[in-house]
Amino acid sequence: GDSVTQMEGPVTLSEEAFLTINCTYTATGYPSLFWYVQYPGEGLQLLLKATKADDKGSNKGFEATYRKETTSFHLEKGSVQVSDSAVYFCALTPSGNTPLVFGKGTRLSVIA
Amino acid sequence: GAGVSQTPSNKVTEKGKYVELRCDPISGHTALYWYRQSLGQGPEFLIYFQGTGAADDSGLPNDRFFAVRPEGSVSTLKIQRTERGDSAVYLCASGVGGALSEQFFGPGTRLTVL
Repeated sequence: GDSVTQMEGPVTLSEEAFLTINCTYTATGYPSLFWYVQYPGEGLQLLLKATKADDKGSNKGFEATYRKETTSFHLEKGSVQVSDSAVYFCALTPSGNTPLVFGKGTRLSVIA
Repeated sequence: GAGVSQTPSNKVTEKGKYVELRCDPISGHTALYWYRQSLGQGPEFLIYFQGTGAADDSGLPNDRFFAVRPEGSVSTLKIQRTERGDSAVYLCASGVGGALSEQFFGPGTRLTVL
């Protein structure tokens, strides 16, 4: 079945460091890909998405590019802030109005 | 506007008891999803409603789990004869429906079965 694999955390970075969180997927067809973020004490929020190959999703300085050839959707940010500390989830929907399939999540801690 | 709300925020129960978890979606959202998140894991799909009907219940782990959405708005997830393995955070999400619409998540209900 469809699945998402993302790098295990926790990831600890200093403020202004470069961030990469790897995500790869297995799916039949052409899924849509998402990154969700869960800040401490809050619910899951959509961070960015991409719906077809080579699309780049971006939001709040975060970016991820849908790479069909490597079945990847890695999350990147050029300069992280303490406020980016959260758990990040990579997810996909196989097609249409279907439920999300999530990875296990990666906890990011940014220290000043 | 108000987001997705879930009650209670925490529920502690004893093995074998019955529990109900409630989800109030964003007004006007026709799609409603339930997920379960165990410690250290990502959310796992349980059931999806489009309007009043369950469009996909393939994620329910067994027949102890049941969910309803009688008027197409509020949904209740019901768990009978709870087991310690049911302990998790139960998440609800809603959306406007249609292909690729965003799902808006509630804060979750943390269920602990002793």
